[in-house]
Amino acid sequence: AQRVTQPEKLLSVFKGAPVELKCNYSYSGSPELFWYVQYSRQRLQLLLRHISRESIKGFTADLNKGETSFHLKKPFAQEEDSAMYYCALPTPNQAGTALIFGKGTTLSVSS
Amino acid sequence: GAVVSQHPSWVICKSGTSVKIECRSLDFQATTMFWYRQFPKQSLMLMATSNEGSKATYEQGVEKDKFLINHASLTLSTLTVTSAHPEDSSFYICSAGGLAGKETQYFGPGTRLLVL
Repeated sequence: AQRVTQPEKLLSVFKGAPVELKCNYSYSGSPELFWYVQYSRQRLQLLLRHISRESIKGFTADLNKGETSFHLKKPFAQEEDSAMYYCALPTPNQAGTALIFGKGTTLSVSS
Repeated sequence: GAVVSQHPSWVICKSGTSVKIECRSLDFQATTMFWYRQFPKQSLMLMATSNEGSKATYEQGVEKDKFLINHASLTLSTLTVTSAHPEDSSFYICSAGGLAGKETQYFGPGTRLLVL
């Protein structure tokens, strides 16, 4: 079954410290994974998708098929990075391609 | 671009009444819209997938007679919570796809429902 696991509920770091938000997935086939972010009192928004291999707001994520992981990384955390981060896996169903979300990790960056 | 709106943003209703939530794609046509439910401090759970002009596909465990979904046009989908009960209180979020690749979804701001 398709599944996304984010093992950490909360990650607290100091400003300037490196950040790694973990995501593991279970999927039969070649997955396409996303990271979504939800800032306080704002809607969920796409942060990055692995297929585009881009860096957004200093964040990167590499798909590791051997480890079935798609960890989100940033070398130097900023206070404005504090938010809820969700790893998501598109999964086809009868009507379309829905997203299966992990449980989310709250990132708290303090000075 | 790719803005999705929801209305209302929050609603309080009495137990037994029905509540309709609208989801609109403002600047693009969404062939597929999705409805999610989010409990406090928890992840989004997919409720159903709807395509314009056809019946919605519900996830296992979601009562289709309780959560009526209509996707009458390429820019509007509605979720009606019928005979609402306190356990239906939640944050309902819609998303729309179809703009920048089929897997990319754009999310609405959510609707908070409180059933008394």
